[in-house]
Amino acid sequence: AQSVTQLGSHVSVSEGALVLLRCNYSSSVPPYLFWYVQYPNQGLQLLLKYTSAATLVKGINGFEAEFKKSETSFHLTKPSAHMSDAAEYFCAVSYGTNTGKSTFGDGTTLTVKP
Amino acid sequence: GAGVSQSPSNKVTEKGKDVELRCDPISGHTALYWYRQSLGQGLEFLIYFQGNSAPDKSGLPSDRFSAERTGGSVSTLTIQRTQQEDSAVYLCASSEGVLYEQYFGPGTRLTVT
Repeated sequence: AQSVTQLGSHVSVSEGALVLLRCNYSSSVPPYLFWYVQYPNQGLQLLLKYTSAATLVKGINGFEAEFKKSETSFHLTKPSAHMSDAAEYFCAVSYGTNTGKSTFGDGTTLTVKP
Repeated sequence: GAGVSQSPSNKVTEKGKDVELRCDPISGHTALYWYRQSLGQGLEFLIYFQGNSAPDKSGLPSDRFSAERTGGSVSTLTIQRTQQEDSAVYLCASSEGVLYEQYFGPGTRLTVT
C-alpha cells in the first residue's frame, strides 16, 4: 500500500531562514507527488506537484521540491522564510493514471519566528 | 469563478442520528473526492468519483458511510447512526480529472455528541 511520511509534525524557523519540510513515500511504481498548504482558517491549496517531468519542481510563493527516486523523497524547501508562510503543509502521493486515490501525510505545522 | 462549496459548514448531531453532508464541485470538474481530517491528523481518503461512478470506495471507514454523486455534479456523503469517533472535518475536493490539481472546499465540521 502506498504511504507518505512527513518527518516532524512541527517545524519552527526564523524569518529569513531556510525552510525544509521532509516527505518520504513508499512506492513500487512511479508516483505522482504533491505538496498542499493550509493557511489558518483557510482551505487546502496546491503548492506544487511532480508528475514525472523535471525532478525539481517550482511552486507558488517561492517554494520548490526535488523528487529523489533513490531516496524516495520529495522534500519541500524555500530559501528564505516569511511570516506569511506559517501554515500546515501536507505531502500527498497518487499512483498511476487511472486512480484518483491520494494518500496524504499527517502534515507539518510551520511556525515562523520574527 | 466559484470554488468548491460545502454545506453545512458546521453540524452538531446526537450519537445515533444520520447526517448528510453536501459538496458542490467546481463546474466542469469530473473528479470529486471526499476526505476526513481528524484533530491533529492528516487527511484520510474516503472515496472519489469519476463522473457519477466511484471506482474506489476502499477508504470508507464502515458500512455506515456512503456517498453518491448525481448528474456529474453535486455529491452527498451520508453517515448513518453517527458515533463520536465520526467527529471530524469532512473535506470535499474536485479536479478536472484524476491527477489534476485538487481544489478543496472549506469543509464541514461534524461534532457528534
